[in-house]
Amino acid sequence: NAGVTQTPKFQVLKTGQSMTLQCAQDMNHNSMYWYRQDPGMGLRLIYYSASEGTTDKGEVPNGYNVSRLNKREFSLRLESAAPSQTSVYFCASSKDRVNTEAFFGQGTRLTVV
Amino acid sequence: AQKITQTQPGMFVQEKEAVTLDCTYDTSDQSYGLFWYKQPSSGEMIFLIYQGSYDEQNATEGRYSLNFQKARKSANLVISASQLGDSAMYFCAMRGFRGSQGNLIFGKGTKLSVKP
Repeated sequence: NAGVTQTPKFQVLKTGQSMTLQCAQDMNHNSMYWYRQDPGMGLRLIYYSASEGTTDKGEVPNGYNVSRLNKREFSLRLESAAPSQTSVYFCASSKDRVNTEAFFGQGTRLTVV
Repeated sequence: AQKITQTQPGMFVQEKEAVTLDCTYDTSDQSYGLFWYKQPSSGEMIFLIYQGSYDEQNATEGRYSLNFQKARKSANLVISASQLGDSAMYFCAMRGFRGSQGNLIFGKGTKLSVKP
């Protein structure tokens, strides 16, 4: 049972470099999310996708782009990484209904130097 | 706008005792769900318990129960008979619906330490 798979698990970038965090789920969920977790800040929503082809900004979208090309995959791109984007990133997915929990990937620890 | 507030950055509890982790929320949605997640030091997010806004009874899952007070907009997590393995970060989260949107937002978390 794969659930939500994120890659990579760890990444170090230099300031200004770009990269894409990949996320895929095999539970046929419509809703997918990207969060960042920083000490003392909890999980903050970066982007949300309610279905294939739709995305919405969350609380902290600046510096990020997302792509939901199909139902399974939701990628997060950093076009020009900054040290402020050093964080742990989580992808999650859920069914549409309000009474269903979200399932999380294992997280990506990103360091921008 | 939706908001989750967890006012306890850290909590200590003696093993085998009960502990309550506070969570208050703000939303204008009529239908919403409240969730608690546990994050151990290994980093994964573990779903614990769910409470729906229209549920008349408080949710329970084993040693976890949710003290839901709708009028006060609070959804506190109660852990009974604490165990050393309960030491972790705990996050309260909320999901509401406006049309077809169902953002899931989190509080800042409470770090629970269980003392032997």
